[in-house]
Amino acid sequence: KQEVTQIPAALSVPEGENLVLNCSFTDSAIYNLQWFRQDPGKGLTSLLLIQSSQREQTSGRLNASLDKSSGRSTLYIAASQPGDSATYLCALSGAGSYQLTFGKGTKLSVIP
Amino acid sequence: ETGVTQSPTHLIKTRGQQVTLRCSSQSGHNTVSWYQQALGQGPQFIFQYYREEENGRGNFPPRFSGLQFPNYSSELNVNALELDDSALYLCASTSGPSEPYGYTFGSGTRLTVV
Repeated sequence: KQEVTQIPAALSVPEGENLVLNCSFTDSAIYNLQWFRQDPGKGLTSLLLIQSSQREQTSGRLNASLDKSSGRSTLYIAASQPGDSATYLCALSGAGSYQLTFGKGTKLSVIP
Repeated sequence: ETGVTQSPTHLIKTRGQQVTLRCSSQSGHNTVSWYQQALGQGPQFIFQYYREEENGRGNFPPRFSGLQFPNYSSELNVNALELDDSALYLCASTSGPSEPYGYTFGSGTRLTVV
């Protein structure tokens, strides 16, 4: 059974800092990995999708990497802004299944 | 291109009642999944529908059931509501099992059972 862990559970940084969020998983037989953002009480907004054959994806100030052999993904946020404050979730779909398995998320606070 | 829309946004029900939540998938998407997110937790997979058939189910009891319609919209029904069913219910759609383009989520329905 796939298990997804996100550390830390919460992170507070001053505006302008670069930061890294971590996601680890136990089963490397994944189809793809997706990073989401969730504002309080709201739905999920997709940030980046990495297919199993890829190693990284970039969108603006965001960069996500995937290392299947070590069971890890990172989300790098450059030059953080107060508007980046949210919970960030990583989710994986396994080979042969399109069910997403989520971590519990990292709650990010960017302090002005 | 419209996204995933869910209704209602909020709902309060009494323990033992039944509830129906609705979801319209993103244009061009034929696969719909439902997730339950308790406070402070990641979403948990309930089930998935592809071409009107359930083709995957998580660890939820049979009182959680669903439907998918020919236009690919979907319903989640929960019978005999329990207090622990209070959660944010999320609907997600994708363009099918052969498409690795990820899922698009709706804004969710907040269900409170009292």
